[in-house]
Order: sequence, then C-alpha cells, then structure tokens
Amino acid sequence: EDQVTQSPEALRLQEGESSSLNCSYTVSGLRGLFWYRQDPGKGPEFLFTLYSAGEEKEKERLKATLTKKESFLHITAPKPEDSATYLCAVQAWNRDDKIIFGKGTRLHILP
Amino acid sequence: DGGITQSPKYLFRKEGQNVTLSCEQNLNHDAMYWYRQDPGQGLRLIYYSQIVNDFQKGDIAEGYSVSREKKESFPLTVTSAQKNPTAFYLCASSKPDRLTAFFGQGTRLTVV
Repeated sequence: EDQVTQSPEALRLQEGESSSLNCSYTVSGLRGLFWYRQDPGKGPEFLFTLYSAGEEKEKERLKATLTKKESFLHITAPKPEDSATYLCAVQAWNRDDKIIFGKGTRLHILP
Repeated sequence: DGGITQSPKYLFRKEGQNVTLSCEQNLNHDAMYWYRQDPGQGLRLIYYSQIVNDFQKGDIAEGYSVSREKKESFPLTVTSAQKNPTAFYLCASSKPDRLTAFFGQGTRLTVV
C-alpha cells in the first residue's frame, strides 16, 4: 500500500536556526513527490514537485531534495513568516492520478 | 485571474441534512479532487475525477457523492449518511500532465 510518513509532527525553531523536515514514502513506482505549505484555515500552497532521486529544487529559504525512499525540506535561516504546516504528497504510476498526503509537519519559528 | 474557487467559506447545517459544497476552476484542468482535513489527520481523499462525466472513489467516499457534468465544476454533496461530517473540505485540480495539484481555499463545514 502506498504510504507517506512525515516527521517530526511539530518543530519549534528560533529565528535563524536551520533545520530539515523529513518525508518518507513507500510507493510502487514514484511519479512525483510534492511539497506544500499550509497556513491555518487556508488551502495548501504548492511549493515543489520532485520527479527522480537526486533532484533538488530551491525557493527562497527552502530547498527540497529527493532520494529513492525519502525527501527532505531544508529550511535555511528561517523567519517567523515561515511558520506553517508543511505537507508532503506522492503520486505513483498506475494509480489513476491519486495523490496521497502525509499528515504534515507543523513548523513554528520563534522571533 | 485563474484559480480554484470554493464556496461558501463557512457552512453550518443541522444533523440529518444533505449539503452541497461548490468547487469551480478556470484553469482548464482535467483532473479534480476532493479532500477532507481533520486535525492531526492530514488530507484524506474523498473522490476524484480525471475527466468529465467520470469519477472514482477515494479512501473515504462513504456518505459523500459527487458529479462532474462540466470540466470547470466538481460539486461535493455531504449526505446524512456521513457520520462525522464536521471538517475542513478542500478541492483541488491538476494540470494536463496530471501532476501537481492546486488547491482552493477550503470550506469549513460544521454540523450541529
């Protein structure tokens, strides 16, 4: 069964303290892995799509990487406005376009 | 502006009543999705549609129904058979390559 597990569930950092969020996945043939940011009461905002192991993408203070079993979202020198829930999702080949989400990591950046 | 519009943002209903949540997109996307989000549960797939007049059940379809009569619209009906309907409902659509879903702003349904 396709599965996505995110860790930690919650993370508190001081402003400027870099860290990484983890997304472990089990799928039979990865078509794409996605990262989203979600603010309270809002819909998820798309950040990145990664397609193959070794791929990396960056946006401002965020950098996403992908291996054959997991993805990391690295946050460099975070600011309070980076506080949000970060969601990881995967789509597998031959799964009729289903996108499966992890439970997310709640990130809180203290000023 | 192109995007996905969900309405209403907040919805209150009495127990036992059916309610329909609206989702409209003007992105010319083929695939559309409905997810339910509960605290600590992440997003769970209710129904999805790859093309007009066709849709498939997701992981938690019981107590829900959908239709896809137009490419732009994918309404979700929460029926009285859904035992715990109070939740945050999210609609999404994805590009023609069917990768990368974009989300609406959600509808928070409260059943009292």
